[in-house]
Amino acid sequence: EVQLVESGGGLVQPGGSLTLSCAASGFAFSVFEMNWVRQAPGKGLEWVSFVGGTIYYADSVKGRFTISRDNAKNSLFLQMSSLRVEDTAVYYCVAGGLKFFDYWGQGTLVTVSS
Amino acid sequence: DVVMTQSPLSLPVTLGQPASISCRSSQSLVYSDGNTYLNWFHQRPGQSPRRLIYRLSNRDPGVPDRFSGSGSGTDFTLKISRVEAEDVGVYYCMQGTHWPPTFGQGTKVEI
Repeated sequence: EVQLVESGGGLVQPGGSLTLSCAASGFAFSVFEMNWVRQAPGKGLEWVSFVGGTIYYADSVKGRFTISRDNAKNSLFLQMSSLRVEDTAVYYCVAGGLKFFDYWGQGTLVTVSS
Repeated sequence: DVVMTQSPLSLPVTLGQPASISCRSSQSLVYSDGNTYLNWFHQRPGQSPRRLIYRLSNRDPGVPDRFSGSGSGTDFTLKISRVEAEDVGVYYCMQGTHWPPTFGQGTKVEI
């Protein structure tokens, strides 16, 4: 069974930093492309970042967020810096290419507030 | 970016009756390989999204056959042939043909 378990969310002040992690199991993590997708409270879904043969970022986070992965540990990461109030959201780890978004984790809440 | 527009945004449904959600894209979603990368997701209250339909009309494993996806070009539809109680929640369409991938605003289905 595919499992994606996010962690690392929490309350952070504007301008602060936070690193999210995603532990993957139940599938061949190293060959899967991976994404982060976020959902602001009561709002819709927004793609944030992708890692596969290359790395992509949404314009809204480019230069502030860094995606990475450790295939030996079946883990995906999102380093977030210069956080803004508008970055407040549940962040989902999503397995699959940009065309598909096959499997989703349960999400971790990031709250940016003073 | 490709804008995905869903309608209606709220859909009251009756158990056992059919339901339909529309999704329109601001550009054609036909990719250079001939495929249409239009997916549908369902998010139950308090849960993460789950994919129901991929590449326009293909049901994911375990998805009941009362769900079907159709459409072409810029107009797409998700149909539920007979609504069941577990179908409540928000449905999102999502395009993966053009970068960046984008989602519709969501359609809230309520009994």
